[in-house]
Amino acid sequence: DTAVSQTPKYLVTQMGNDKSIKCEQNLGHDTMYWYKQDSKKFLKIMFSYNNKELIINETVPNRFSPKSPDKAHLNLHINSLELGDSAVYFCASSQVRKTYEQYFGPGTRLTVT
Amino acid sequence: KNEVEQSPQNLTAQEGEFITINCSYSVGISALHWLQQHPGGGIVSLFMLSSGKKKHGRLIATINIQEKHSSLHITASHPRDSAVYVCAVRAGFGNEKLTFGTGTRLTIIP
Repeated sequence: DTAVSQTPKYLVTQMGNDKSIKCEQNLGHDTMYWYKQDSKKFLKIMFSYNNKELIINETVPNRFSPKSPDKAHLNLHINSLELGDSAVYFCASSQVRKTYEQYFGPGTRLTVT
Repeated sequence: KNEVEQSPQNLTAQEGEFITINCSYSVGISALHWLQQHPGGGIVSLFMLSSGKKKHGRLIATINIQEKHSSLHITASHPRDSAVYVCAVRAGFGNEKLTFGTGTRLTIIP
């Protein structure tokens, strides 16, 4: 049983395109996250949603727009892709005020050419 | 200077050795997480602790809140322990943001 799943696993696209990455968790958690891991393997928070409400929005270009249709899903839409957007994007979830432990998805490797 | 610093950045050891990875942070925190990232890229949460010590199998994590320092120990290391180990701190209750260290790449040689 997959706890946190992401699709697609790999995404290769050209500059200027718009793409989406989907994330789903079946853990019943109330909080979901998007992280970016750059070429230096450094992880950084991008967004977090708690019960479909945006609670963390780091300094991320407006081209990135998260959408949470329900507590189990948090999708990441990226407009006008740039070369610098190439990275691995990880989704995670947790149950705040209970365990706080975060469970990570397998990652989506985005390559912009 | 990062808020979360790890040392060493890279560590190579022989199978069976006792491993210590250190994490220091400069902000007040409510909890510290240790994560393991496999060579294939997957991330697994190993520990979350806010005080004292936790043990799971051959892994032990300790934290000293006063000194703003945590250590991850691996006893009887094995090649399958080869991975990147990352510590991350959570600022405060109600603030779920994790700030990550730069990771320690551990290689265990058979």
